[in-house]
Amino acid sequence: DAGVIQSPRHEVTEMGQEVTLRCKPISGHDYLFWYRQTMMRGLELLIYFNNNVPIDDSGMPEDRFSAKMPNASFSTLKIQPSEPRDSAVYFCASLLGSTNEKLFFGSGTQLSVL
Amino acid sequence: AQSVAQPEDQVNVAEGNPLTVKCTYSVSGNPYLFWYVQYPNRGLQFLLKYITGDNLVKGSYGFEAEFNKSQTSFHLKKPSALVSDSALYFCAVRHDMRFGAGTRLTVKP
Repeated sequence: DAGVIQSPRHEVTEMGQEVTLRCKPISGHDYLFWYRQTMMRGLELLIYFNNNVPIDDSGMPEDRFSAKMPNASFSTLKIQPSEPRDSAVYFCASLLGSTNEKLFFGSGTQLSVL
Repeated sequence: AQSVAQPEDQVNVAEGNPLTVKCTYSVSGNPYLFWYVQYPNRGLQFLLKYITGDNLVKGSYGFEAEFNKSQTSFHLKKPSALVSDSALYFCAVRHDMRFGAGTRLTVKP
């Protein structure tokens, strides 16, 4: 298996633009998590899904952020409009809830909003 | 609510010395606890977990962790540190997989 795949690897955009981050979890995994990592705030859980259904989105910073999981093999995190303070590394991770519950992380998307 | 805390932002040890990275938890019911490591420009990687059973859990790269229910702690340990162990270490509690703030471990030659 190729692991959790995130795209793009790097994204540079201007303030006010829409940003879409993509994630393909490991096949068969039923949980998907989105995290944001910054020096100031550490690793924050934004939202997680179970069987494509959002379970807890309390970590989503504000209405500018939205996440979807239209099927078991794809999820998106969208920021509209983007702001400089959204600059961070965004990680996607997946796990199979019925087994040893080990999280597998993607390589992350480095987002820079100018 | 379930949470973990890592009281140290940074831990410095000399190569060959034992290392400890601390984690305390607040969990209702039985805790499922994890340790992950993050190397530069990478996602987190699983090290070890405690679900039930022996209080001393062995994991990857020679790391181990001791579950202490009375002290609500789950400290990560290694008997002899390597320079290559230098990284960010995170503990986490199951349910929603929220992580602690992370501890930067630096092992000096």
